[in-house]
Amino acid sequence: DADVTQTPRNRITKTGKRIMLECSQTKGHDRMYWYRQDPGLGLRLIYYSFDVKDINKGEISDGYSVSRQAQAKFSLSLESAIPNQTALYFCATSEPGQGADEKLFFGSGTQLSVL
Amino acid sequence: LAKTTQPVSMDSYEGQEVNITCSHNNIATNDYITWYQQFPSQGPRFIIQGYKTKVTNEVASLFIPADRKSSTLSLPRVSLSDTAVYYCLVGDSGAGSYQLTFGKGTKLSVIP
Repeated sequence: DADVTQTPRNRITKTGKRIMLECSQTKGHDRMYWYRQDPGLGLRLIYYSFDVKDINKGEISDGYSVSRQAQAKFSLSLESAIPNQTALYFCATSEPGQGADEKLFFGSGTQLSVL
Repeated sequence: LAKTTQPVSMDSYEGQEVNITCSHNNIATNDYITWYQQFPSQGPRFIIQGYKTKVTNEVASLFIPADRKSSTLSLPRVSLSDTAVYYCLVGDSGAGSYQLTFGKGTKLSVIP
């Protein structure tokens, strides 16, 4: 079983619809992240959370919201989807290590298409 | 945050050693250099991290000169399965991975 699981793997929705992408992890990490990747581009950080009571905006949070339901669960919502939110979305986790040992562990991604 | 520059793409034949260089002229004292690998339709995977000189693990080596303004990821004897995008990230990952910025990466194509 994957350590970081994203559901669904693929989703097609229409403009204006509300949609939620879910992420769960079995790594026991406190830190969780949502990234977005557009074709040919790198990953951009949407939101991150260092624990259940901590939520922070990333580089491109407009149009998105998140919920950290538990240490293991971090969901991303698009309240009113628009076509330029069509992208590949990744959830990731990390645990601060000794010095700069912190590594990101990614899920397999959710391909979202907004028509 | 330190900006990184790396080649957009590289081609290599199977069995060859591949070196991907990343430029990071404004690297800060507390910054580490981290490389991730991403296969199509998968999330990035950590490869290697270093601060100075040379780091080696079972997958790759990372060479960092004394001035730390660049770094080179070395993949020994690549195979077709090494075809992927490789990202160089520079930042104080000890202060939180949220500070690490993924650029466009280098798309490595391994040719039979």
